[in-house]
Amino acid sequence: NAGVMQNPRHLVRRRGQEARLRCSPMKGHSHVYWYRQLPEEGLKFMVYLQKENIIDESGMPKERFSAEFPKEGPSILRIQQVVRGDSAAYFCASSRFGTSDSNQPQHFGDGTRLSIL
Amino acid sequence: DQQVKQNSPSLSVQEGRISILNCDYTNSMFDYFLWYKKYPAEGPTFLISISSIKDKNEDGRFTVFLNKSAKHLSLHIVPSQPGDSAVYFCAASARTASKLTFGTGTRLQVTL
Repeated sequence: NAGVMQNPRHLVRRRGQEARLRCSPMKGHSHVYWYRQLPEEGLKFMVYLQKENIIDESGMPKERFSAEFPKEGPSILRIQQVVRGDSAAYFCASSRFGTSDSNQPQHFGDGTRLSIL
Repeated sequence: DQQVKQNSPSLSVQEGRISILNCDYTNSMFDYFLWYKKYPAEGPTFLISISSIKDKNEDGRFTVFLNKSAKHLSLHIVPSQPGDSAVYFCAASARTASKLTFGTGTRLQVTL
C-alpha cells in the first residue's frame, strides 16, 4: 500500500550538470503531476503526464526542463545544465483519474530537494 | 498573478479551541478545492476537499466551507490539537485542467 515514492530525497549538483528526479506513483494511479516549491512559497505546477503522454506542460520552463512517464518505470523530471535558480523542492503527485474529470485529490510524495552549488 | 491567496502567513491557537484558516481565489473557473497539510521535509498530505456544487464538507474534526459568491473558502479544525501544527495549503483546480493552483500557505501553531 505504498504511497508516491520519489528519489532521491536530496540531490546536489554543480552548475552545468544534469539532474534527474524520479517518481513512482501510487499503485493503480496512471496520472502524474510535478510541482516545484521555492523557499517560502507555495507549490507551482510544472507538468501533468499520463502514461507515455504529456497532457499539460504549461508550467514547465521552455528550456532545459523535460519530463516523461514511460509505459514501464517511473516518471522522470530532467533538468539539463542546472543553474542556481533551479534549487528548490520538487514534488510529484499522482491520481487514479484526472482531477478535472473526477474531482479526486492528488496524493504527493515527500519530494526531492535539489541543491545547486 | 496569485489566483489563490492565503493572506495570513501564520496563526496561533490554543489546544482545544477552533482553528480557522482562510483562502480566497480569483479564478471563476475553479470548481474543486482542496486543503493540504504539510510538515517540514515531507510532502503535502491531503486533508479534505469540496466541489463547487456544495457549500460545506465535513470529515471528523475538519470542515471546509465554500462561499462561491465571495470566492472564499475556509477550513475549520475543532478541537485543535498540538499535532495539527503544520503549514496548511489551500489549492484549487478548474474543470478545464487537472493542475492544482496553490496558495502560499498558513503556518498553524497549536499551543498547549
